[in-house]
Amino acid sequence: GENVEQHPSTLSVQEGDSAVIKCTYSDSASNYFPWYKQELGKGPQLIIDIRSNVGEKKDQRIAVTLNKTAKHFSLHITETQPEDSAVYFCAASFSGSARQLTFGSGTQLTVLP
Amino acid sequence: EAGVAQSPRYKIIEKRQSVAFWCNPISGHATLYWYQQILGQGPKLLIQFQNNGVVDDSQLPKDRFSAERLKGVDSTLKIQPAKLEDSAVYLCASSLGTGGEAFFGQGTRLTVV
Repeated sequence: GENVEQHPSTLSVQEGDSAVIKCTYSDSASNYFPWYKQELGKGPQLIIDIRSNVGEKKDQRIAVTLNKTAKHFSLHITETQPEDSAVYFCAASFSGSARQLTFGSGTQLTVLP
Repeated sequence: EAGVAQSPRYKIIEKRQSVAFWCNPISGHATLYWYQQILGQGPKLLIQFQNNGVVDDSQLPKDRFSAERLKGVDSTLKIQPAKLEDSAVYLCASSLGTGGEAFFGQGTRLTVV
């Protein structure tokens, strides 16, 4: 089955700096890669996703890049703000007849004011 | 629109007792997922329903876990008997179809003592 590794497990940045979180996956058949933000006491919330036919996707301060050859993808947050502090999860799946997400272990991002 | 509703929010039980969790997905969402999230880890899929049928329950410990989705709307997940290692947050998610974005509920935090 799919295995997703995520680094780093914790990340502290100064407000206004950029944050980068990296994930690698094992199943070359995976073709859908979402990123979720989970705040304390809440369920994960989708913030951005990318499909295997796209190399990069951007949404305001958030961007995701995908390298299918190397089987890794990254989340980039620019101009970080204190409200970006949360746990971020990457995930991978193959959207065949059903989409079943395999999650990474999470990154605790802390944005220091 | 209303989100995914889960209850209870918290539950503490002794080992070998039974417990049940309830999930009401977003109206019209045909696909429903139950995930287990152990502290410090990413969510792990337990079971996926499409309407009232099971799509995948390969990671569900069937000797103690059971789930149903009668009438293809709300769902219950049961653990009987519970073990200490079942302590986790149980997340329910739903999506419009098998290829749609998954929306998560707030989860039920289970503590087995």
